[in-house]
Amino acid sequence: QKEVEQNSGPLSVPEGAIASLNCTYSDRVSQSFFWYRQYSGKSPELIMSIYSNGDKEDGRFTAQLNKASQYVSLLIRDSQPSDSATYLCAVKRNGGFKTIFGAGTRLFVKA
Amino acid sequence: DAGVTQSPTHLIKTRGQQVTLRCSPKSGHDTVSWYQQALGQGPQFIFQYYEEEERQRGNFPDRFSGHQFPNYSSELNVNALLLGDSALYLCASAVRADQETQYFGPGTRLLVL
Repeated sequence: QKEVEQNSGPLSVPEGAIASLNCTYSDRVSQSFFWYRQYSGKSPELIMSIYSNGDKEDGRFTAQLNKASQYVSLLIRDSQPSDSATYLCAVKRNGGFKTIFGAGTRLFVKA
Repeated sequence: DAGVTQSPTHLIKTRGQQVTLRCSPKSGHDTVSWYQQALGQGPQFIFQYYEEEERQRGNFPDRFSGHQFPNYSSELNVNALLLGDSALYLCASAVRADQETQYFGPGTRLLVL
């Protein structure tokens, strides 16, 4: 079982729609959760972090965390073609220094 | 304010050779982590350096070693290169007070032939 699992996609949504990206993790000791965006040929960029159960909103992005189900998701509202990228879910243990990444989900937003 | 920089951008080596990759952290950052990203995969944690010491290591063999200098810059050394070492090598920096927010450099793309 992989430590962080994501559907590789591609996930294709029309412009203006909501894109929903999901991630599960195996280590119950995980305490910090992140979503990174990676454009093709570029390095990852942190877009959201979440530490408590529930929702966290930042502009068009909403991260959702459910520690009991070991599940993290990212919702992108009003998706734009510029959102087309690979979205990486990552987790970290409390007090740990190692960030564990999933393989990423490719998102394609059609104009 | 300069971001994280890495050099070189691309590198071609042959099996058995050794390589050194370099990273300068973002201004004000004192912690450097190194990751390996194979094609189609997420970054894999190699190790992290803080105060010139390796603080934690991922599941990588001893062929992978590193160093951090007093100015917080860092090097990643890989000995006895294998074909499977071909990947994008990413450096990420952070400040000790906010380890959760790390900034990635542009990466070094290594091809081993």
